[in-house]
Amino acid sequence: QQQVKQSPQSLIVQKGGISIINCAYENTAFDYFPWYQQFPGKGPALLIAIRPDVSEKKEGRFTISFNKSAKQFSLHIMDSQPGDSATYFCAASKQGGKLIFGQGTELSVKP
Amino acid sequence: KAGVTQTPRYLIKTRGQQVTLSCSPISGHRSVSWYQQTPGQGLQFLFEYFSETQRNKGNFPGRFSGRQFSNSRSEMNVSTLELGDSALYLCASSLSGLAEQETQYFGPGTRLLVL
Repeated sequence: QQQVKQSPQSLIVQKGGISIINCAYENTAFDYFPWYQQFPGKGPALLIAIRPDVSEKKEGRFTISFNKSAKQFSLHIMDSQPGDSATYFCAASKQGGKLIFGQGTELSVKP
Repeated sequence: KAGVTQTPRYLIKTRGQQVTLSCSPISGHRSVSWYQQTPGQGLQFLFEYFSETQRNKGNFPGRFSGRQFSNSRSEMNVSTLELGDSALYLCASSLSGLAEQETQYFGPGTRLLVL
């Protein structure tokens, strides 16, 4: 019940394309869903986050779509750039507690 | 504001030894969490400290322990190291760790290799 399942494990997208990463959770008590971006040799950095009472949140080229009834949320990266190549993690927590992370998606954007 | 800092950045130890890792949170942050990152298991929560008290604990054996000092700096210790403890150990800080949607900021990690 504490798991967050993330797919795909790896993703190759052409420059300018849309990258889509999906996550699913089971614990309905989760109330905070962040996405983190991690470059090699660095710690994860918060990219964008959403609450369950909002169905979509957009920040620049990054959009989270949230489906509460399906217990799924996804990250969309529009106009993907080579500089977006990194590992992306979805996560979930309840009331600011420990983050439960998905397994990660290694994104490669080809020029 | 300076970010989360972790020392050392790299460490090589042998089986059976013990190791202590250090984390300095962002100024003003009182909650410090530790995570272990491995290729196979991903990012897993170890424990969280707030006001020098362990407030949350993950599913790791007792060989993994931590503490927090009055200035919010934190250390984690791993005793009797095993090969499987080789990982990137990440520290994250937040203001209080309780407020809904509070952001956790991660440090660069300490990469531990156990031989």
